[in-house]
Amino acid sequence: ETGVTQSPTHLIKTRGQQVTLRCSSQSGHNTVSWYQQALGQGPQFIFQYYREEENGRGNFPPRFSGLQFPNYSSELNVNALELDDSALYLCASLRDFSTDTQYFGPGTRLTVL
Amino acid sequence: GENVEQHPSTLSVQEGDSAVIKCTYSDSASNYFPWYKQELGKRPQLIIDIRSNVGEKKDQRIAVTLNKTAKHFSLHITETQPEDSAVYFCAARPIIQGAQKLVFGQGTRLTINP
Repeated sequence: ETGVTQSPTHLIKTRGQQVTLRCSSQSGHNTVSWYQQALGQGPQFIFQYYREEENGRGNFPPRFSGLQFPNYSSELNVNALELDDSALYLCASLRDFSTDTQYFGPGTRLTVL
Repeated sequence: GENVEQHPSTLSVQEGDSAVIKCTYSDSASNYFPWYKQELGKRPQLIIDIRSNVGEKKDQRIAVTLNKTAKHFSLHITETQPEDSAVYFCAARPIIQGAQKLVFGQGTRLTINP
């Protein structure tokens, strides 16, 4: 196991609601990336946080936002949920933004009805 | 934008045989290529990776080859076992300022038949 944890495991929301997902990075890691994995597809990069600052973003609208805390844990917030937001949300922990290896957490399965 | 194509989408092999999964990438400046194994309902697990200054890397039954000129890389699994059954994803890391962004392929569902 990687030591990266995520909560909650599963979540069911309705369209238009807001959701917050949480990630605790591996000990000693200061960088967290978030990915969205739709059913049957590869993960897609949402954004990355390094030392509490967003330092890169994929092709996701502004209603996807995040935070990183001083202990390097992170949150992903999604506003105005749409049906297409239903997916597995994965966070990945990196020792530093300049390192290669990304260790994934178990993910949060979000279902939007 | 950056793109990674992965083939085949499904692969079925007899236990003990070899399996090969191929990926091509679009950004010639990509310099890091990991492979992840994802079992049903579980997290992607890094199984092997290769950097652009290396042409081949091996770890027991798993090997990865990289051809920078052709912009493709492949995963080779030898002496396959039932526990190798999973979905495998290749990824490439394009050079962009700041983030360590991985661009993933669409995945290959590998089934090992006993």
